[in-house]
Amino acid sequence: DAKTTQPPSMDCAEGRAANLPCNHSTISGNEYVYWYRQIHSQGPQYIIHGLKNNETNEMASLIITEDRKSSTLILPHATLRDTAVYYCIVRVLGQNFVFGPGTRLSVLP
Amino acid sequence: DTGVSQDPRHKITKRGQNVTFRCDPISEHNRLYWYRQTLGQGPEFLTYFQNEAQLEKSRLLSDRFSAERPKGSFSTLEIQRTEQGDSAMYLCASSLIASSSYEQYFGPGTRLTVT
Repeated sequence: DAKTTQPPSMDCAEGRAANLPCNHSTISGNEYVYWYRQIHSQGPQYIIHGLKNNETNEMASLIITEDRKSSTLILPHATLRDTAVYYCIVRVLGQNFVFGPGTRLSVLP
Repeated sequence: DTGVSQDPRHKITKRGQNVTFRCDPISEHNRLYWYRQTLGQGPEFLTYFQNEAQLEKSRLLSDRFSAERPKGSFSTLEIQRTEQGDSAMYLCASSLIASSSYEQYFGPGTRLTVT
């Protein structure tokens, strides 16, 4: 079973920041937080990952709470092409990914 | 394009027939994974290879399923005597052990419909 809890769906206005929450209250010290997204009829796409520190790349920012029990993926300026299902996954490096149902993000014009 | 490729993209078959899917991973990626995804669910792990060795199989992988990666490059997933419950998207992913984060790169998937 997935070790994360995410809201099933969210809406965001185009051009605004999309903040996607994820709870992982049972995360262990050697587990990383990964985010993937899946646009309709495509394979999942890697977004970002982190262990303890906040991370940023060209796609998104990942904010991990100090106790590591939750995190937020931030898409700073959402576009219509960001409409997708977003998966938050925790896993030890090298272990298989266990996907939950994710959050369906709809970016509205 | 040097990403993960899968063939075919769509397959419609009649119940009881055998089907085979192919996955070509990113060049030099030594790990290759197979997942299955049904409507409204996230991908479910089936099996993975490190080079040509199949190191783990999920309990979801029944005896009718077999996967191979004979030369440590491309992989095939065969389903024998297909059932309607096998209808799903079959996803392949690859990763590089030497990568510090082991992120997996997914292909576009093969959508199987069993009639």
